[in-house]
Amino acid sequence: EAAVTQSPRSKVAVTGGKVTLSCHQTNNHDYMYWYRQDTGHGLRLIHYSYVADSTEKGDIPDGYKASRPSQENFSLILELASLSQTAVYFCASSPSQNTLYFGAGTRLSVL
Amino acid sequence: GEQVEQRPPHLSVREGDSAIIICTYTDSATAYFSWYKQEAGAGLQLLMSVLSNVDRKEEQGLTVLLNKKDKRLSLNLTAAHPGDSAVYFCAVRTGGYKVVFGSGTRLLVSP
Repeated sequence: EAAVTQSPRSKVAVTGGKVTLSCHQTNNHDYMYWYRQDTGHGLRLIHYSYVADSTEKGDIPDGYKASRPSQENFSLILELASLSQTAVYFCASSPSQNTLYFGAGTRLSVL
Repeated sequence: GEQVEQRPPHLSVREGDSAIIICTYTDSATAYFSWYKQEAGAGLQLLMSVLSNVDRKEEQGLTVLLNKKDKRLSLNLTAAHPGDSAVYFCAVRTGGYKVVFGSGTRLLVSP
């Protein structure tokens, strides 16, 4: 079964601080995604990647950077965390752009 | 870009009743349609997917209908039970790498 592991599962950060969310997949999938979930907004795509060492902007990339150093690992970086970035973040992998396999999510609170 | 609207945001049914969730999309080139289920504190799990050349698909008490003329996708849970209580999301993909999600429907099935 597909395995996508996110760390940490929850984090409290201070405004202006740097936050790194990590995602590791053991599925040998080429595609990886970072989504943000806010109440009433469903999931919104932040960044995605279809190959190691390359990332693409999604629909809401401002304030976020992404890094894909290997096929297995995909990180989301908030260089200067802001209150508005409080949300639940989901990482997903996919073999074919169609079916996504999600991690359990990271709950980020920026204070 | 593609926009997806999902309704209703909340749905409450009694055990044994059917529950219907509807999504409408804007891009007629949309090629792949999925429904995901999110249980409390967890990531999203795929329920069912259909390609654009499929009008109807049934699996294990779930029916997905695709009306391409009206750009409408529906999920019907026949004979819902309390274990079906969760948040349900539709997801669509057009020709690129991006998968766009609806805003979610919180389903509550009471005994």
